[in-house]
Amino acid sequence: DVKVTQSSRYLVKRTGEKVFLECVQDMDHENMFWYRQDPGLGLRLIYFSYDVKMKEKGDIPEGYSVSREKKERFSLILESASTNQTSMYLCASSLPSGTGEETQYFGPGTRLLVL
Amino acid sequence: QKEVEQNSGPLSVPEGAIASLNCTYSDRGSQSFFWYRQYSGKSPELIMFIYSNGDKEDGRFTAQLNKASQYVSLLIRDSQPSDSATYLCAASSGGYNKLIFGAGTRLAVHP
Repeated sequence: DVKVTQSSRYLVKRTGEKVFLECVQDMDHENMFWYRQDPGLGLRLIYFSYDVKMKEKGDIPEGYSVSREKKERFSLILESASTNQTSMYLCASSLPSGTGEETQYFGPGTRLLVL
Repeated sequence: QKEVEQNSGPLSVPEGAIASLNCTYSDRGSQSFFWYRQYSGKSPELIMFIYSNGDKEDGRFTAQLNKASQYVSLLIRDSQPSDSATYLCAASSGGYNKLIFGAGTRLAVHP
């Protein structure tokens, strides 16, 4: 079974703090993704990575950065947290394109509250 | 802007009935389509995926794809109260296995 884990289920931070969200997958997947999910808006892609040290912006990258130093780990960084970054953050991983297996597998999510 | 559209619901069906969930997508280049189920406060879990036009069945679930109409649907037969959840439709877009998600349809199965 694919297992994707996230460092925290719930997190409370102050405005202006630097926030690290970590994601680890144990299936040797090349692709990893960070989404945020807000009511009525669905999942929106923040950043993704297709290999170690490789990253691409998604649809809403502003205010975020990412790091992928090892294949199994993908970190999302909020450089200076703001209240509009209060959300549920979901990490996912998948095999590369062309493998016939494009399913993304999700971690349990981190619910972040910025005060 | 590439989009996946779903009716937000709630879709209310009695136990034992067939629930029909629908989705349209805008990117004609999308090749793969996914249905995820998400319980309140939990993360999405895959129900099934479909790549080819037509029907694909897995237990009580049937996915239907019509690429000409850019339409995907999910049928749940013999609906159970445990099927009550939000169902997310997703379409592949832009390589790297990126997906575009719809906002989800909330399904409520009542006894």
